[in-house]
Amino acid sequence: GQNIDQPTEMTATEGAIVQINCTYQTSGFNGLFWYQQHAGEAPTFLSYNVLDGLEEKGRFSSFLSRSKGYSYLLLKELQMKDSASYLCAVKGSGGYQKVTFGTGTKLQVIP
Amino acid sequence: DGGITQSPKYLFRKEGQNVTLSCEQNLNHDAMYWYRQDPGQGLRLIYYSQIVNDFQKGDIAEGYSVSREKKESFPLTVTSAQKNPTAFYLCASSNKGRLTEAFFGQGTRLTVV
Repeated sequence: GQNIDQPTEMTATEGAIVQINCTYQTSGFNGLFWYQQHAGEAPTFLSYNVLDGLEEKGRFSSFLSRSKGYSYLLLKELQMKDSASYLCAVKGSGGYQKVTFGTGTKLQVIP
Repeated sequence: DGGITQSPKYLFRKEGQNVTLSCEQNLNHDAMYWYRQDPGQGLRLIYYSQIVNDFQKGDIAEGYSVSREKKESFPLTVTSAQKNPTAFYLCASSNKGRLTEAFFGQGTRLTVV
């Protein structure tokens, strides 16, 4: 099976940097996703890590350590519109590559 | 434009009635998924399918049924056996390869009264 843990809530200040952590225990691993979800809307894709290391994409970066079962999403120069839930998800291996989501981290950006 | 479409966006049903949620994709994706999301919660997997005419139960399949007669379509039926059907339902699709993310539909908010 798969177990994914994220903090429930975080608060950060506009213009600052915030790191959202995700740890996972899985029976198989084929990649880790980060999604952003605004209230009442569908999740939108942010990043996908397959290999260890840091992937940077504009203000957002994502890091993966497969040996530690650990990932983080780094958001720089926070804006008010970044207030949303951030979902960590793991894609399993094998014939059925099931995508399993964590419960999400609700980020509130304050002025 | 390629994408994944769920309909309707809002759905109301009386308790005890079955209801079917539609999900169609024209991305030529092999895999399709149904998730349920309750207020303040993450996504929980109901059913998923990797190929036509085959599907697997997710973590909370009880009270739900699906079919995958066509690659493009993966409808979800919420049956009267589902004890708490009111929720936000999300359909997603992806390719089987490693380097692909899941794309989501806009979601269907089901309210059972």
